[in-house]
Amino acid sequence: EVQLVESGGGLVKPGGSLRLSCAASGFTFSSYSMDWVRQAPGKGLEWVSSISSTTTYIYYADSVKGRFTISRDNAKNSLYLQMNSLRAEDTAVYYCARDGEYSSNWHFDYWGQGTLVTVSS
Amino acid sequence: QSVLTQPPSVSAAPGQKVTISCSGSSSNIGKNYVSWYQQLPGTAPKLLIYDNNERPSGIPDRFSGSKSGTSATLGITGLQTGDEADYYCGTWDSSLSAGVFGTGTKVTVL
Repeated sequence: EVQLVESGGGLVKPGGSLRLSCAASGFTFSSYSMDWVRQAPGKGLEWVSSISSTTTYIYYADSVKGRFTISRDNAKNSLYLQMNSLRAEDTAVYYCARDGEYSSNWHFDYWGQGTLVTVSS
Repeated sequence: QSVLTQPPSVSAAPGQKVTISCSGSSSNIGKNYVSWYQQLPGTAPKLLIYDNNERPSGIPDRFSGSKSGTSATLGITGLQTGDEADYYCGTWDSSLSAGVFGTGTKVTVL
């Protein structure tokens, strides 16, 4: 069974840093691109970042470019999101999502349960 | 600010049909495949449709997708109370080199 479990969320002050982790199991992690998607309280989904299976391709939303860094450790079946210079508008539930295996086109077939990041003084 | 525009809400009686539109541009929907997600209250999103109109295993054929030009549509027939949720379209934007989601649509079963 595919499982994605996020951790590392919490309360942080503006300008602070936080590192999110996503532990993957039930599939060959090293074969899949992975993404982070966030959802501010009461708002819609916002794509954050993507990393290919071998880290060759990495993309970021303009809203986080230069502040967030996505990475992965295929030996540990883990995905990470290092978030620096955090702002109030970064407050959201952060989901880890697997790029779908149904086709090579953009879609996510598995999602974690999410971890809440709150940026507030 | 979402790049893809959806109606904020749609509603219908049980057993009826609803359609949700998703409007984009030539750099996203016009050039790439669209996927759709259902988010029940308090849960993570769930894939409903990929590649514009394909259903993953386990998704009933009451859910359908289509795409024309720079717009996509999700259809739900035989509406059930369990379909009350938020629905999002999404695709890749080739100009932004970024993923983009729709603004989201809340489906209410009257």
